[in-house]
Amino acid sequence: GAGVSQSPSNKVTEKGKDVELRCDPISGHTALYWYRQRLGQGLEFLIYFQGNSAPDKSGLPSDRFSAERTGESVSTLTIQRTQQEDSAVYLCASSPARVDEQFFGPGTRLTVL
Amino acid sequence: AQKITQTQPGMFVQEKEAVTLDCTYDTSDPSYGLFWYKQPSSGEMIFLIYQGSYDQQNATEGRYSLNFQKARKSANLVISASQLGDSAMYFCAMREGNFNKFYFGSGTKLNVKP
Repeated sequence: GAGVSQSPSNKVTEKGKDVELRCDPISGHTALYWYRQRLGQGLEFLIYFQGNSAPDKSGLPSDRFSAERTGESVSTLTIQRTQQEDSAVYLCASSPARVDEQFFGPGTRLTVL
Repeated sequence: AQKITQTQPGMFVQEKEAVTLDCTYDTSDPSYGLFWYKQPSSGEMIFLIYQGSYDQQNATEGRYSLNFQKARKSANLVISASQLGDSAMYFCAMREGNFNKFYFGSGTKLNVKP
């Protein structure tokens, strides 16, 4: 079956512009995670959605970052007024309810010039 | 304090030999889960193995096993009979209790030599 998909795969933007990253989780997966991975580093947790519960936004680094998810479907991560330090790969993962394994998407490589 | 510590930025292993990748964790929650992921140069994250804090036996998945030493708070990954395709970054991760966050280590880059 289809895995987690993310779009775009690459995004180059100018400093100060807004960007929107999209994640399509595996159908039926209630949990969805966003992570940031800077070059050569590990994954930083950003935000978590579980069904219709309030999201866990504790990992968002600033108020320029926001994310939405409608029910158990697509999620978008928005970065406003991008800065060069936002350059990273943004990874999305989903998992079925009450199962710990996360299934990762291929990521979106964001470059802020 | 770091939740997950991987002290080996890079490792080399000869093909067909076994290798151990170190991971220590920090939590006061009695319920947690430990994970290992592989990230090849293509960038995808591949789940390898999971160990629950209450599991009595060390987890094994094919050539992967997790050496879980609870008192020492370590969860080392052992790869037996290394293959060239095992060359990749390896990340240790933890989920605490009922919390939603996963904490990832900084990774170990494994190179398998022919």
